[in-house]
Amino acid sequence: AQSVSQHNHHVILSEAASLELGCNYSYGGTVNLFWYVQYPGQHLQLLLKYFSGDPLVKGIKGFEAEFIKSKFSFNLRKPSVQWSDTAEYFCAVKWGSSNTGKLIFGQGTTLQVKP
Amino acid sequence: GAVVSQHPSRVICKSGTSVKIECRSLDFQATTMFWYRQFPKKSLMLMATSNEGSKATYEQGVEKDKFLINHASLTLSTLTVTSAHPEDSSFYICSAKPGTSYEQYFGPGTRLTVT
Repeated sequence: AQSVSQHNHHVILSEAASLELGCNYSYGGTVNLFWYVQYPGQHLQLLLKYFSGDPLVKGIKGFEAEFIKSKFSFNLRKPSVQWSDTAEYFCAVKWGSSNTGKLIFGQGTTLQVKP
Repeated sequence: GAVVSQHPSRVICKSGTSVKIECRSLDFQATTMFWYRQFPKKSLMLMATSNEGSKATYEQGVEKDKFLINHASLTLSTLTVTSAHPEDSSFYICSAKPGTSYEQYFGPGTRLTVT
């Protein structure tokens, strides 16, 4: 079955620390990969996405993610976090090459950045 | 651009009553809309996919007679929770996708509390 796994459920960092959040999906084939962020009290926003091409994708607010096909992974990184990055982060995957199809979400990672 | 609204933002209803939640794409036409349920500290669980003018496709385990979805126009989808029970209390989120896009745009969610 298609599934998405985020290994870190709750991460606590100090400001300026580096961040890496893991995301793995269940099996291969053509995938579209997404990272969403949900700030407290706000709706889901897209951080970045991968459809094809360069496996290292850059998103908003200094975030980036690397697609490693052999590892079925799409980890999210940020070199230096800020207090304002405190939020819930979700990895999501869409299987298939068409623009239809559903997103499967990971369990989410709560990031808490201490000032 | 790509704004999705939901109404109401929160609703409290009594057990046995029905509640309707609206999802609107404000500045684009959404050929496909998705309804998710989010439990506290949990990921988004896809409930159903609706395409304009056709019946919704429900995920396994989601009762179609309990969660009625109507996608009557390219900018509006509704989710009606019929005969609500306390276990239906949750955060319901919709997303909308323009026809040619791979990307979904999320609404702010609706907090349903059934007493």
